[in-house]
Amino acid sequence: EAQVTQNPRYLITVTGKKLTVTCSQNMNHEYMSWYRQDPGLGLRQIYYSMNVEVTDKGDVPEGYKVSRKEKRNFPLILESPSPNQTSLYFCASSLWGISGGAEGYTFGSGTRLTVV
Amino acid sequence: SQQGEEDPQALSIQEGENATMNCSYKTSINNLQWYRQNSGRGLVHLILIRSNEREKHSGRLRVTLDTSKKSSSLLITASRAADTASYFCATDSGTASKLTFGTGTRLQVTL
Repeated sequence: EAQVTQNPRYLITVTGKKLTVTCSQNMNHEYMSWYRQDPGLGLRQIYYSMNVEVTDKGDVPEGYKVSRKEKRNFPLILESPSPNQTSLYFCASSLWGISGGAEGYTFGSGTRLTVV
Repeated sequence: SQQGEEDPQALSIQEGENATMNCSYKTSINNLQWYRQNSGRGLVHLILIRSNEREKHSGRLRVTLDTSKKSSSLLITASRAADTASYFCATDSGTASKLTFGTGTRLQVTL
């Protein structure tokens, strides 16, 4: 089944403890992106990647890192999480680049992160 | 910054009725897409309409686009309880690094 897999689904952590949210897609998509979703603010892009070893900042990159060493994986790293990073995170990928094309973006199921 | 703004923020209808959601955006676009999100889950792509199209259908979905007014509408006909979800419009401006999503319309379909 074509999908984007995120792990973990839920995570509660403490301030300052480094964590990684994994994202993997099995569709050979070149474009991948991370969003966070907060009430009243909609989805905001954190980072995106056009292809292997090509990453760039989105609208809210502060406090996050990403890497794209392989086409299928695009992990999101929080080096020192803070409570304001408590959010619902989504990884998305696209066959047709930024625009998504006729198929749009394929989203993972989300990671609900709580930083205490 | 939000490109798309959906209206209304919330909508409650009975099963069998039609649901209409609107999206307004600010800059010129290449295409506009609609997504559905079930509570706390990932977004699912529903339909895409290009800037040179005025109307598009997919099953019970009908999307219109008015580029002169920078607005789009999503009509769900003969709604079902399973249509209960949040619906988002997303725009591709051709110059940004991403699709830009609105804040969504929460649709509740009751039996």
